[in-house]
Amino acid sequence: GAVVSQHPSWVICKSGTSVKIECRSLDFQATTMFWYRQFPKQSLMLMATSNEGSKATYEQGVEKDKFLINHASLTLSTLTVTSAHPEDSSFYICSARSGVGNTIYFGEGSWLTVV
Amino acid sequence: QKEVEQNSGPLSVPEGAIASLNCTYSDRGSQSFFWYRQYSGKSPELIMFIYSNGDKEDGRFTAQLNKASQYVSLLIRDSQPSDSATYLCAAPPDDAGNNRKLIWGLGTSLAVNP
Repeated sequence: GAVVSQHPSWVICKSGTSVKIECRSLDFQATTMFWYRQFPKQSLMLMATSNEGSKATYEQGVEKDKFLINHASLTLSTLTVTSAHPEDSSFYICSARSGVGNTIYFGEGSWLTVV
Repeated sequence: QKEVEQNSGPLSVPEGAIASLNCTYSDRGSQSFFWYRQYSGKSPELIMFIYSNGDKEDGRFTAQLNKASQYVSLLIRDSQPSDSATYLCAAPPDDAGNNRKLIWGLGTSLAVNP
């Protein structure tokens, strides 16, 4: 199946700093990428939909100025958590839509811990 | 509100048995359905997708779709302890547009007991 790579797989940062997470589709071009957050033992929560070359569409309740999304190319989208706080600690997962069957593939996820 | 519903479980089956996971959806316009498996602490991985009524088999997995009744199921034959995970059902709503945003069920937790 298609491969979506996410980096870093885990990161620890200090409160108030910013963290960038990258999501790359390795063997296909992804016009659309999705960013999710998942707290332990809870379901996936869609944060935003990212389209190449345009502004991301954020879900209700997600602060666009705090979670900056850039989809600069057909294979790369980035999520920057700005001024991170401990409550932002979570598992962040990206996914990318493949044109073949419109199937969505997930990255490996990134564990963020804010201390 | 368009929804995808799953029984949260946990569903517990003995090793070697058939595990049956069910999912219902509210949007009659949904055309395709996806089953993902998520191990604890890992991101979801695609198991299979189905878009035609009937059965679709892939190894030990069989997806079943009944559009008239608006349900989709996943059968796992010869269940193994390594199948223990949360299984997520997802579907793009009819009005998903080019984004193809998926609506997710909350997942069913499966435990296969040795």
